[in-house]
Amino acid sequence: DGGITQSPKYLFRKEGQNVTLSCEQNLNHDAMYWYRQDPGQGLRLIYYSQIVNDFQKGDIAEGYSVSREKKESFPLTVTSAQKNPTAFYLCASSIGAPARHQPQHFGDGTRLSIL
Amino acid sequence: SQQGEEDPQALSIQEGENATMNCSYKTSINNLQWYRQNSGRGLVHLILIRSNEREKHSGRLRVTLDTSKKSSSLLITASRAADTASYFCATGRLETNDYKLSFGAGTTVTVRA
Repeated sequence: DGGITQSPKYLFRKEGQNVTLSCEQNLNHDAMYWYRQDPGQGLRLIYYSQIVNDFQKGDIAEGYSVSREKKESFPLTVTSAQKNPTAFYLCASSIGAPARHQPQHFGDGTRLSIL
Repeated sequence: SQQGEEDPQALSIQEGENATMNCSYKTSINNLQWYRQNSGRGLVHLILIRSNEREKHSGRLRVTLDTSKKSSSLLITASRAADTASYFCATGRLETNDYKLSFGAGTTVTVRA
């Protein structure tokens, strides 16, 4: 079955620690996205990538970093500079670059908490 | 940046009833999309309606778009317990040669058996 796999499902971060969230897709999609979701709020875009080896900042990129070395993979690192990392993180992908008139396909998320 | 705003924030209905939720937005769009999110899960795409379309159907779902009022509605007919979820509208638009999808805060729908 084609889809997006995020791991781990739950993650805990200690003070001063960087953590990396994994996102893998086998849909052969060019574009991939990372969103942050806080309780009672919509999704906010952190980073997105339209093609391998290229990515752009979204609305809330500070304290986060990404890489896109392979088409299938778009890992997100939450650095120690992100002072309020507790949230639900969602990875998505879509056909084409840019993805006009195309839906985004989502993984099942990673819930990050501070210890 | 969030552009869409859903109304109401929460909705509770009896199984078999219809559920209607609305989405308003501020700037011109290329398309508007509706997504469903079950608790603790990712979003699932429901319907995409382009800016030159006025209505679309998919099974028990009906979406309308009024670009003059910058609003959209999602109707779920004959609701079932499995429809209990949060529903989000997302506006797709071009911004300086880049395509952006902006999500609202969602409507939480509870269907009582």
